[in-house]
Amino acid sequence: QKEVEQDPGPLSVPEGAIVSLNCTYSNSAFQYFMWYRQYSRKGPELLMYTYSSGNKEDGRFTAQVDKSSKYISLFIRDSQPSDSATYLCAMAGAQKLVFGQGTRLTINP
Amino acid sequence: SQTIHQWPATLVQPVGSPLSLECTVEGTSNPNLYWYRQAAGRGLQLLFYSVGIGQISSEVPQNLSASRPQDRQFILSSKKLLLSDSGFYLCAWRPGTYEQYFGPGTRLTVT
Repeated sequence: QKEVEQDPGPLSVPEGAIVSLNCTYSNSAFQYFMWYRQYSRKGPELLMYTYSSGNKEDGRFTAQVDKSSKYISLFIRDSQPSDSATYLCAMAGAQKLVFGQGTRLTINP
Repeated sequence: SQTIHQWPATLVQPVGSPLSLECTVEGTSNPNLYWYRQAAGRGLQLLFYSVGIGQISSEVPQNLSASRPQDRQFILSSKKLLLSDSGFYLCAWRPGTYEQYFGPGTRLTVT
């Protein structure tokens, strides 16, 4: 079993839709959780960073962590074509991050 | 503010040739530094990380090596490239907290 599981998609939704991206993990030692956005042929960009269960909101983006279920989510409201990218979840363990495989998202105008 | 640079941006090299990729970070001191490889359509594979000058931890056995000759410089090398070394190489740095910040990457094609 992988430490972090993420549905690779691809996921295609119409502009304006609410998008839900999810990851599950098996290591209860993970305490810090991140979401990265990666555009094609670019380096990943840190989008959200949280370390507690519950919700954290930043503009159209909401990160949700449920440590009891070992499940994290990223919600995108009012999705835009510019949100089309690959989204990677990451979890902190000691000196390293453990990444999901990434979900490729396309927002259709 | 902090900035991370990688060069070259793209590279095409024949099998058996040497490799040197460079990463530098500006605006911070004593960062943790990381090298990742991302194969097409795949996730990020951690190759090496460094917590200080001359301190390198290797994550996977391979024909690659890393060095950190200066506090904010991280170099990825190979003496003889294999076809399987093709990929997108990413350098990242970490401040005192847990998140990492990535550079623009180097796209390597081994022919």
